[in-house]
Amino acid sequence: QVQLVQSGAEVKKPGASVKVSCKTSGYTFSSYGISWVRQAPGQGLEWMGWISAYNGNTNYAQKIQGRVTMTTDTSTSTAYMDLRSLRSDDTAVYYCAREPFSDYWGQGTLVTVSS
Amino acid sequence: DIQMTQSPSSVSASVGDRVTITCRASQGISSWLAWYQQKPGKAPKLLIYAASTLHTGVPSRFSGSGSGTDFTLTINNLQPEDFATYYCQQANSFPRTFGPGTKVDIK
Repeated sequence: QVQLVQSGAEVKKPGASVKVSCKTSGYTFSSYGISWVRQAPGQGLEWMGWISAYNGNTNYAQKIQGRVTMTTDTSTSTAYMDLRSLRSDDTAVYYCAREPFSDYWGQGTLVTVSS
Repeated sequence: DIQMTQSPSSVSASVGDRVTITCRASQGISSWLAWYQQKPGKAPKLLIYAASTLHTGVPSRFSGSGSGTDFTLTINNLQPEDFATYYCQQANSFPRTFGPGTKVDIK
């Protein structure tokens, strides 16, 4: 069965970086893309970006462009989301989801940014 | 960017009711629309993609319709497990924007 398993919760200070992993199984990794979506406490879903696991092409939300890098490792079927220069408003649960149509999701990773 | 709106923002309903949620795109997106259900503390789950195609394992009481700019999610015979927040998302172009969500709670 298709599974996406994310890395554990993180606590970071403002200005630091965080790297969240999303290990996939149960399907051919390179045949699909991965989207990243975040959800601040009590808020709605915010699309962050997408990466093709086939060729590494990416598309990022303008709001975080320049601070985010999405990568994949096809040898381990794992996707990564690296967010830099963290601010308090980056505190959120971060999700990965298989594309197209985000049909399967990871369990979420809580990233807390606090001094 | 394509803006997505949803109405209502919340709805109170009873078990057995029919609930209809509307999603509108700021420009035409053909049928590139998905609906998700999210319960507190859980990841969203895909219900419907391509505006009207039910995802594997989703009960048939859920249905979607629409194309272009106006879309509808209908839940027939509302069940206790359906009380949740529902989001639409356009997949026509980047950025893949979400609607603000509709919370369905118990009357």
